[in-house]
Amino acid sequence: EAQVTQNPRYLITVTGKKLTVTCSQNMNHEYMSWYRQDPGLGLRQIYYSMNVEVTDKGDVPEGYKVSRKEKRNFPLILESPSPNQTSLYFCASSFPGGTEAFFGQGTRLTVV
Amino acid sequence: SQQGEEDPQALSIQEGENATMNCSYKTSINNLQWYRQNSGRGLVHLILIRSNEREKHSGRLRVTLDTSKKSSSLLITASRAADTASYFCATTGGSYIPTFGRGTSLIVHP
Repeated sequence: EAQVTQNPRYLITVTGKKLTVTCSQNMNHEYMSWYRQDPGLGLRQIYYSMNVEVTDKGDVPEGYKVSRKEKRNFPLILESPSPNQTSLYFCASSFPGGTEAFFGQGTRLTVV
Repeated sequence: SQQGEEDPQALSIQEGENATMNCSYKTSINNLQWYRQNSGRGLVHLILIRSNEREKHSGRLRVTLDTSKKSSSLLITASRAADTASYFCATTGGSYIPTFGRGTSLIVHP
Protein backbone atom coordinates (compact mmCIF):
# COMPACT_ATOMS: atom_id res chain seq x y z
CA GLU A 1 0.00 0.00 0.00
CA ALA A 2 1.31 3.45 -0.97
CA GLN A 3 1.86 5.45 2.16
CA VAL A 4 3.81 8.02 4.10
CA THR A 5 4.63 6.86 7.62
CA GLN A 6 5.49 9.20 10.45
CA ASN A 7 6.70 8.19 13.87
CA PRO A 8 5.90 8.78 16.59
CA ARG A 9 2.21 9.78 16.32
CA TYR A 10 2.25 11.49 19.71
CA LEU A 11 5.17 12.84 21.70
CA ILE A 12 5.44 14.82 24.90
CA THR A 13 8.92 16.06 25.69
CA VAL A 14 10.71 18.64 27.80
CA THR A 15 12.34 21.84 26.68
CA GLY A 16 15.84 21.31 25.32
CA LYS A 17 15.74 17.55 24.86
CA LYS A 18 16.70 16.70 21.29
CA LEU A 19 14.18 14.71 19.32
CA THR A 20 13.70 13.28 15.86
CA VAL A 21 10.43 12.67 14.03
CA THR A 22 10.85 10.12 11.29
CA CYS A 23 9.13 10.14 7.91
CA SER A 24 9.31 7.37 5.36
CA GLN A 25 7.56 6.94 2.00
CA ASN A 26 7.32 3.86 -0.21
CA MET A 27 6.32 5.52 -3.47
CA ASN A 28 9.80 6.43 -4.77
CA HIS A 29 8.87 10.12 -4.63
CA GLU A 30 11.60 12.67 -5.22
CA TYR A 31 9.92 15.46 -3.31
CA MET A 32 9.38 15.42 0.44
CA SER A 33 8.40 18.19 2.82
CA TRP A 34 7.53 18.98 6.41
CA TYR A 35 4.69 21.20 7.59
CA ARG A 36 3.43 22.32 10.94
CA GLN A 37 -0.21 23.02 11.58
CA ASP A 38 -1.38 25.42 14.26
CA PRO A 39 -4.93 26.64 14.97
CA GLY A 40 -5.83 29.60 12.78
CA LEU A 41 -2.55 29.44 10.88
CA GLY A 42 -3.15 26.54 8.53
CA LEU A 43 -0.18 24.51 7.29
CA ARG A 44 3.17 26.23 7.19
CA GLN A 45 6.10 24.74 5.39
CA ILE A 46 9.19 24.04 7.49
CA TYR A 47 11.65 22.39 5.09
CA TYR A 48 11.46 20.59 1.80
CA SER A 49 13.66 18.33 -0.26
CA MET A 50 13.62 17.86 -4.00
CA ASN A 51 15.94 14.85 -3.98
CA VAL A 52 18.62 13.04 -2.00
CA GLU A 53 21.05 15.48 -0.38
CA VAL A 54 19.00 18.44 -1.64
CA THR A 55 17.09 20.34 1.07
CA ASP A 56 15.78 23.87 1.35
CA LYS A 57 14.13 26.09 3.90
CA GLY A 58 10.42 26.71 3.87
CA ASP A 59 8.59 29.52 5.62
CA VAL A 60 9.29 28.58 9.25
CA PRO A 61 12.64 26.71 9.41
CA GLU A 62 13.99 28.22 12.66
CA GLY A 63 14.62 25.60 15.32
CA TYR A 64 14.45 22.66 12.91
CA LYS A 65 16.89 20.58 10.91
CA VAL A 66 16.36 17.97 8.24
CA SER A 67 18.43 15.51 6.29
CA ARG A 68 17.81 13.49 3.13
CA LYS A 69 20.40 10.75 2.94
CA GLU A 70 18.07 8.25 1.32
CA LYS A 71 15.22 8.83 -1.07
CA ARG A 72 12.58 7.24 1.14
CA ASN A 73 13.42 8.97 4.45
CA PHE A 74 13.20 12.59 5.52
CA PRO A 75 13.59 12.98 9.30
CA LEU A 76 12.78 16.21 11.12
CA ILE A 77 15.18 17.05 13.94
CA LEU A 78 14.53 19.44 16.80
CA GLU A 79 17.93 19.97 18.42
CA SER A 80 16.62 21.98 21.39
CA PRO A 81 12.80 21.97 21.39
CA SER A 82 10.95 24.89 22.91
CA PRO A 83 7.28 25.24 23.91
CA ASN A 84 6.53 27.32 20.79
CA GLN A 85 7.27 24.21 18.74
CA THR A 86 4.26 22.48 20.24
CA SER A 87 2.24 21.70 17.15
CA LEU A 88 0.85 19.08 14.78
CA TYR A 89 3.48 18.08 12.23
CA PHE A 90 2.92 16.54 8.82
CA CYS A 91 5.30 14.99 6.36
CA ALA A 92 4.34 14.83 2.68
CA SER A 93 5.83 13.41 -0.50
CA SER A 94 5.15 13.72 -4.22
CA PHE A 95 6.62 13.29 -7.66
CA PRO A 96 8.14 16.35 -9.37
CA GLY A 97 5.96 18.72 -11.32
CA GLY A 98 3.45 19.75 -8.69
CA THR A 99 1.54 16.49 -8.63
CA GLU A 100 -0.63 15.17 -5.83
CA ALA A 101 1.08 15.19 -2.44
CA PHE A 102 0.62 12.25 -0.07
CA PHE A 103 0.54 13.04 3.63
CA GLY A 104 1.50 11.10 6.71
CA GLN A 105 -0.90 10.69 9.62
CA GLY A 106 0.65 13.49 11.59
CA THR A 107 2.75 13.78 14.75
CA ARG A 108 1.30 15.70 17.65
CA LEU A 109 4.21 17.17 19.59
CA THR A 110 3.94 18.82 22.99
CA VAL A 111 6.99 20.54 24.47
CA VAL A 112 6.68 21.40 28.17
CA SER B 1 4.60 33.13 3.50
CA GLN B 2 1.36 31.31 2.81
CA GLN B 3 0.31 31.60 -0.78
CA GLY B 4 -3.35 30.63 -0.77
CA GLU B 5 -6.00 32.18 1.43
CA GLU B 6 -9.35 30.45 1.70
CA ASP B 7 -12.65 32.18 2.22
CA PRO B 8 -14.81 31.80 4.22
CA GLN B 9 -12.91 30.55 7.26
CA ALA B 10 -15.97 28.60 8.35
CA LEU B 11 -19.11 27.42 6.56
CA SER B 12 -22.15 25.73 8.05
CA ILE B 13 -24.84 24.26 5.78
CA GLN B 14 -27.57 21.65 5.71
CA GLU B 15 -27.22 18.28 4.03
CA GLY B 16 -28.21 18.51 0.39
CA GLU B 17 -27.12 22.12 -0.04
CA ASN B 18 -24.13 23.16 -2.11
CA ALA B 19 -20.95 24.38 -0.45
CA THR B 20 -18.70 26.91 -2.13
CA MET B 21 -15.31 27.95 -0.84
CA ASN B 22 -12.83 30.29 -2.44
CA CYS B 23 -9.08 30.59 -2.59
CA SER B 24 -7.04 33.62 -3.51
CA TYR B 25 -3.30 33.63 -4.09
CA LYS B 26 -0.62 36.20 -4.72
CA THR B 27 1.95 35.06 -7.27
CA SER B 28 1.88 33.09 -10.51
CA ILE B 29 1.34 29.36 -10.16
CA ASN B 30 1.91 26.13 -12.06
CA ASN B 31 -1.15 24.48 -10.64
CA LEU B 32 -3.61 24.69 -7.78
CA GLN B 33 -4.81 21.78 -5.72
CA TRP B 34 -7.56 21.25 -3.18
CA TYR B 35 -7.15 18.99 -0.18
CA ARG B 36 -9.45 17.77 2.53
CA GLN B 37 -8.57 17.15 6.17
CA ASN B 38 -10.71 15.30 8.65
CA SER B 39 -10.14 16.47 12.19
CA GLY B 40 -6.48 16.17 13.15
CA ARG B 41 -5.67 13.70 10.38
CA GLY B 42 -3.47 13.90 7.32
CA LEU B 43 -4.58 15.80 4.25
CA VAL B 44 -6.09 13.95 1.34
CA HIS B 45 -5.80 15.20 -2.22
CA LEU B 46 -9.11 16.02 -3.92
CA ILE B 47 -8.40 17.64 -7.26
CA LEU B 48 -5.69 19.43 -9.21
CA ILE B 49 -6.23 22.16 -11.80
CA ARG B 50 -3.40 23.38 -13.98
CA SER B 51 -2.77 27.04 -14.68
CA ASN B 52 -3.98 26.67 -18.29
CA GLU B 53 -7.29 25.08 -17.24
CA ARG B 54 -10.39 27.01 -16.22
CA GLU B 55 -12.68 24.35 -14.81
CA LYS B 56 -12.46 20.77 -13.67
CA HIS B 57 -14.94 18.25 -12.31
CA SER B 58 -14.58 15.16 -10.17
CA GLY B 59 -17.75 13.51 -8.94
CA ARG B 60 -19.57 16.09 -6.80
CA LEU B 61 -16.62 18.47 -6.91
CA ARG B 62 -16.24 21.35 -9.32
CA VAL B 63 -13.16 23.55 -9.30
CA THR B 64 -12.68 26.76 -11.23
CA LEU B 65 -9.52 28.76 -11.72
CA ASP B 66 -9.24 32.40 -12.78
CA THR B 67 -5.57 33.24 -13.18
CA SER B 68 -6.33 36.86 -14.06
CA LYS B 69 -7.93 37.31 -10.65
CA LYS B 70 -5.57 34.85 -8.96
CA SER B 71 -8.48 32.96 -7.49
CA SER B 72 -10.08 29.54 -7.43
CA SER B 73 -13.30 28.12 -6.10
CA LEU B 74 -14.31 24.67 -4.93
CA LEU B 75 -17.97 23.71 -5.18
CA ILE B 76 -19.29 20.61 -3.45
CA THR B 77 -22.75 19.80 -4.72
CA ALA B 78 -25.46 17.99 -2.76
CA SER B 79 -23.34 17.97 0.38
CA ARG B 80 -23.47 15.14 2.89
CA ALA B 81 -22.71 15.00 6.60
CA ALA B 82 -19.59 13.00 5.67
CA ASP B 83 -18.26 16.07 3.81
CA THR B 84 -17.70 17.76 7.17
CA ALA B 85 -13.98 18.56 7.19
CA SER B 86 -11.49 21.32 6.59
CA TYR B 87 -10.63 22.15 3.00
CA PHE B 88 -7.34 23.64 1.90
CA CYS B 89 -6.13 25.05 -1.35
CA ALA B 90 -2.47 24.59 -2.22
CA THR B 91 -0.52 26.31 -4.94
CA THR B 92 2.68 25.18 -6.57
CA GLY B 93 5.10 27.59 -8.14
CA GLY B 94 8.72 27.30 -9.14
CA SER B 95 9.68 24.76 -6.47
CA TYR B 96 6.64 22.56 -7.20
CA ILE B 97 6.25 22.03 -3.46
CA PRO B 98 2.67 22.86 -2.44
CA THR B 99 2.09 25.90 -0.26
CA PHE B 100 -1.13 25.84 1.74
CA GLY B 101 -3.59 28.39 3.03
CA ARG B 102 -5.37 28.49 6.38
CA GLY B 103 -8.32 26.41 5.22
CA THR B 104 -12.11 26.54 5.30
CA SER B 105 -13.88 24.56 8.01
CA LEU B 106 -17.07 23.03 6.58
CA ILE B 107 -19.82 21.63 8.77
CA VAL B 108 -22.70 19.82 7.08
CA HIS B 109 -25.68 19.26 9.36
CA PRO B 110 -27.72 16.09 8.78
